[in-house]
Amino acid sequence: QLQLQESGPGLVKPSETLSLNCTVSGGSFINSPYYWAWIRQSPAGGLEWIGTIFYSGAPNYNPSLEPRVTISVDTSKNLFSLRLSSVTAADTAVYFCARHAGRGMTTFAVPQRPFDYWGQGTLVTVSS
Amino acid sequence: IVMTQSPATLSVSPGEGATLSCRASQSVSKNLAWYQQKPGQAPRLLIFGASTRVTGIPARFSGSGSGTEFTLTITGLQSEDFAVYYCQQYGDWPLFGGGTKVEIK
Repeated sequence: QLQLQESGPGLVKPSETLSLNCTVSGGSFINSPYYWAWIRQSPAGGLEWIGTIFYSGAPNYNPSLEPRVTISVDTSKNLFSLRLSSVTAADTAVYFCARHAGRGMTTFAVPQRPFDYWGQGTLVTVSS
Repeated sequence: IVMTQSPATLSVSPGEGATLSCRASQSVSKNLAWYQQKPGQAPRLLIFGASTRVTGIPARFSGSGSGTEFTLTITGLQSEDFAVYYCQQYGDWPLFGGGTKVEIK
């Protein structure tokens, strides 16, 4: 059974960089051509897609966050990562990693596929 | 694209049915998914392609619609069905609706 687990600091100071990892177990990046994503949920409950990356690279980001976001993959460690720079209190949220359903690369920059596996989520609070 | 769900809250008695709506501001064809989320948990994919149930999801959950109007119907609500439901379009970049909370009446 595929499992995703987020990890990283739960508290980040304003203007600093938020960094999270998502470790994937129960499957191998090398043999699994899937797209992986970061999604966050605000304290009010709204879900926001942050970005998506194919297992071999080539990320795509939510245009509203793109200037501050970097998503990368480390296939040797079976994980992918999120970095969000210049954070403010508005970035306080539960951050989820997830997998897009369906194997293989698509012709679209962002795969037209829902999210079938999710991590449990990790709360990140931005505060001094 | 803007995704609008209604109502925001639905009060239903166990055993009754519930109808949740999701509207897209422009056509997303059938690129529409429904998720269930319980407190402290991640969303769980229930339906994709507007009407295809994920393996293992009970038949009391059904989805319909295409283009801009979509519906999630739950028949014979059970205790474990009281949760928040989100629609999500994936025809463009992923975008979620604001959610409908189904609560016990």
